[in-house]
Amino acid sequence: GQNIDQPTEMTATEGAIVQINCTYQTSGFNGLFWYQQHAGEAPTFLSYNVLDGLEEKGRFSSFLSRSKGYSYLLLKELQMKDSASYLCAVRSEGGANNLFFGTGTRLTVIP
Amino acid sequence: NAGVTQTPKFRILKIGQSMTLQCAQDMNHNYMYWYRQDPGMGLKLIYYSVGAGITDKGEVPNGYNVSRSTTEDFPLRLELAAPSQTSVYFCAIKGQGNSPLHFGNGTRLTVT
Repeated sequence: GQNIDQPTEMTATEGAIVQINCTYQTSGFNGLFWYQQHAGEAPTFLSYNVLDGLEEKGRFSSFLSRSKGYSYLLLKELQMKDSASYLCAVRSEGGANNLFFGTGTRLTVIP
Repeated sequence: NAGVTQTPKFRILKIGQSMTLQCAQDMNHNYMYWYRQDPGMGLKLIYYSVGAGITDKGEVPNGYNVSRSTTEDFPLRLELAAPSQTSVYFCAIKGQGNSPLHFGNGTRLTVT
């Protein structure tokens, strides 16, 4: 089975840094993805980790520790437009390598 | 979201009615997926396909059917709509290897 946990809601201030955590327990692992989803819109891809360590992409970074079943998404220099839900998803092994999603973290950026 | 087109955008159904949610892609990807998203529940996989002529069940397939007669199209069929099927439905595609999923804009369905 798949169990993916992330906080339901977070609030942070414009210009600050926020870290969104994700823990997972899955029957197989073939990568972890982060998606951003604005209200009423489709999820859009942010980052992908398959090996341990940090992946940096502009203001966004994602970290993975496979031994701990843990990832985080780090958002720097927060902007109002970063207010959205952030979805953690784990890809299973074998078969169709399906993607299983957590419930998402709704981030609100305040002035 | 260029590449994946979902129709309709919105639909209201009465209990017991049937309908087909359409999903079409122009990126020639083999992998296609249907997810539903309920508030506070995250995205749940309904059905998926790894290529034309091949479909398989995901986490929550009950009450739905799919077909994949071409690479481009992956329609989702609801035969007897129930209020529990009120949700937002997303179709997604994926290229080879560890490519990310690319989502359509979704269909918001209400069953009353």
